Amino acid sequence: SAVISQKPSRDICQRGTSLTIQCQVDSQVTMMFWYRQQPGQSLTLIATANQGSEATYESGFVIDKFPISRPNLTFSTLTVSNMSPEDSSIYLCSVEGGQGPDTQYFGPGTRLTVL
Amino acid sequence: AQSVTQLDSQVPVFEEAPVELRCNYSSSVSVYLFWYVQYPNQGLQLLLKYLSGSTLVKGINGFEAEFNKSQTSFHLRKPSVHISDTAEYFCAVSLVNTDKLIFGTGTRLQVFP
Repeated sequence: SAVISQKPSRDICQRGTSLTIQCQVDSQVTMMFWYRQQPGQSLTLIATANQGSEATYESGFVIDKFPISRPNLTFSTLTVSNMSPEDSSIYLCSVEGGQGPDTQYFGPGTRLTVL
Repeated sequence: AQSVTQLDSQVPVFEEAPVELRCNYSSSVSVYLFWYVQYPNQGLQLLLKYLSGSTLVKGINGFEAEFNKSQTSFHLRKPSVHISDTAEYFCAVSLVNTDKLIFGTGTRLQVFP
C-alpha cells in the first residue's frame, strides 16, 4: 500500500486566516481525495483531485472555501480559507492504492482547531 | 442514494471476548464494501474489503466480515479481542467503480481488561 504523509499534523489557527495542508505520496497515483472529519463524526468527502485537471467538489463544498492543487502525481494541497470555528476538524487525504477497485489508503490526517 | 448505517455508536467488551460490529447499507446498485479502523490520533487503516466472490472476507488483525446481500449487511467480527483493538471502526461503501467512499458514522470499540 502507498505511504502517505501530511503536513502539518496539527495546527491552531485564528478565525479569518487560511491554512494550506500538504499531502505527499511515495508513489505516483492518479486520484487523490480530501476528506473532512468533524469532531465525533464520520468522514465526508470534500473533493477528488486528479493531476492536470480541476478538482471535483462534492455537494456542500466550494472551490473558494477549499481550493485544491494537484501539481503532480505524488502531491496535493488543500487550503481551508477564511476559517471559522466550524472548520475545526481533521482533514485527511487518501489515494487509490491500486489493490483492487475503489480501495483507498489514508494519510494520518491534519487536526485543525480554529479559535 | 447510497447510505451506510452503523447502529452501535459504542461497543464495550472485555478482553478475549468475541465481538460483532454491525453495518447495514442501502443501495439499488452493486457496491463494494469496506471496513476501516482508526486508532486514537491516527488516520484510517483498511481492515478488509469485499469486492466480489466469497461472502466471507478475512482481514488484518484477525478480523473478518460477511457480506449478506439479502440483508444488505456487512458485519465485522472477531472471535477474541485484545486491548489493542480499542479504536473507532468505520464501515464504508462505494458504488462499483465510482471511486467515492460513503462512510458510516463509526463504532467505537472499547476493550476492557
